[in-house]
Amino acid sequence: KQEVTQIPAALSVPEGENLVLNCSFTDSAIYNLQWFRQDPGKGLTSLLLIQSSQREQTSGRLNASLDKSSGRSTLYIAASQPGDSATYLCAVRGSGGGADGLTFGKGTHLIIQP
Amino acid sequence: ETGVTQTPRHLVMGMTNKKSLKCEQHLGHNAMYWYKQSAKKPLELMFVYSLEERVENNSVPSRFSPECPNSSHLFLHLHTLQPEDSALYLCASSQVVRTDTQYFGPGTRLTVL
Repeated sequence: KQEVTQIPAALSVPEGENLVLNCSFTDSAIYNLQWFRQDPGKGLTSLLLIQSSQREQTSGRLNASLDKSSGRSTLYIAASQPGDSATYLCAVRGSGGGADGLTFGKGTHLIIQP
Repeated sequence: ETGVTQTPRHLVMGMTNKKSLKCEQHLGHNAMYWYKQSAKKPLELMFVYSLEERVENNSVPSRFSPECPNSSHLFLHLHTLQPEDSALYLCASSQVVRTDTQYFGPGTRLTVL
């Protein structure tokens, strides 16, 4: 059974810092990996999707990398801003039968101090 | 706004009640999903529908009954729930199953008394 782990569970940094969030997964047989952000009491907003054949994706100040063989992904946030404060979730979609949904980690709760 | 709406946003029900959660997607997608988010646990996949056919049922108790009458609407019918079923229930959709980005609704916060 696929398991997704996110480290750290919580992170608080001053505004302007560059930071890295980590995600690891136990089964490397995945179709893709997706990073989301979730604001308190709200649904999820998709940030980046990396297909299993890709190594990284970039969107603005965000860069996500994928090392499928080692079961790892990182989300890099450049020049952090208070508006980046949220919970960041990593999720993988397996390539095995009956695995059409996403398996999520518990998330990293990020606070950017003004 | 992601193009996925959920109603109601909040629901309080007793253990003997019957209620339904509704999800609607305005994106022309063919796949829809129900997830459960409990406190201090990862989001858990409950059901997957592709072209109105259930393609995955992730060992969910029978007190949760999904219905997908068309590709734009998804329901979750609830009956005789337990207090531990209190959670945020999230609906999502994607163009196709398996390979596409999933777009999530805002969720329904369910409290079972």
